[in-house]
Amino acid sequence: GAVVSQHPSRVICKSGTSVKIECRSLDFQATTMFWYRQFPKQSLMLMATSNEGSKATYEQGVEKDKFLINHASLTLSTLTVTSAHPEDSSFYICSARGAADNSPLHFGNGTRLTVT
Amino acid sequence: GQNIDQPTEMTATEGAIVQINCTYQTSGFNGLFWYQQHAGEAPTFLSYNVLDGLEEKGRFSSFLSRSKGYSYLLLKELQMKDSASYLCAVLDSNYQLIWGAGTKLIIKP
Repeated sequence: GAVVSQHPSRVICKSGTSVKIECRSLDFQATTMFWYRQFPKQSLMLMATSNEGSKATYEQGVEKDKFLINHASLTLSTLTVTSAHPEDSSFYICSARGAADNSPLHFGNGTRLTVT
Repeated sequence: GQNIDQPTEMTATEGAIVQINCTYQTSGFNGLFWYQQHAGEAPTFLSYNVLDGLEEKGRFSSFLSRSKGYSYLLLKELQMKDSASYLCAVLDSNYQLIWGAGTKLIIKP
């Protein structure tokens, strides 16, 4: 089956620093990748949709200058959390979909970010 | 607005059968997905239904009725490892994925 690799799986950083999370589709080309955030015992929340070669589309309430998304190739998207604060501590999950619009989303293993 | 409803929590016994329901009201419909998410992990894909009827895949089956805006996930021969949250998600007319809040399934010995 389709594999999506996300790295790192865990990161602890100090307040004010930036953290980059990588998401790779290993065995298929992902025109579109999605970034989600999930707080404990809550639903997945879509942060942004990342399209290869174009700007990301952010959901309402998500600061695009704080959560920088780059989708430079068909197999790689990155999310950079800039000037992280403790309230940014969360579980960040990327997902990728194949070429067909109704292709299932395949998720990376997630990144647990803790900002101290 | 768009809405997906599923029970918050269910409890079942090891070896038994459980049915998790999902009802939806969305702007258009291009298919319904079920995902499994263990605590602290990312979701994994279970099934996709776009036509009415039952799709069986091993111990898991998924049913869809588009006219009723209804789906269910049926889990047979429950195992302890099936304890997880089960997420229902619908692709709307714009191929945007609308997520339910998930059903936490607790399996007891």
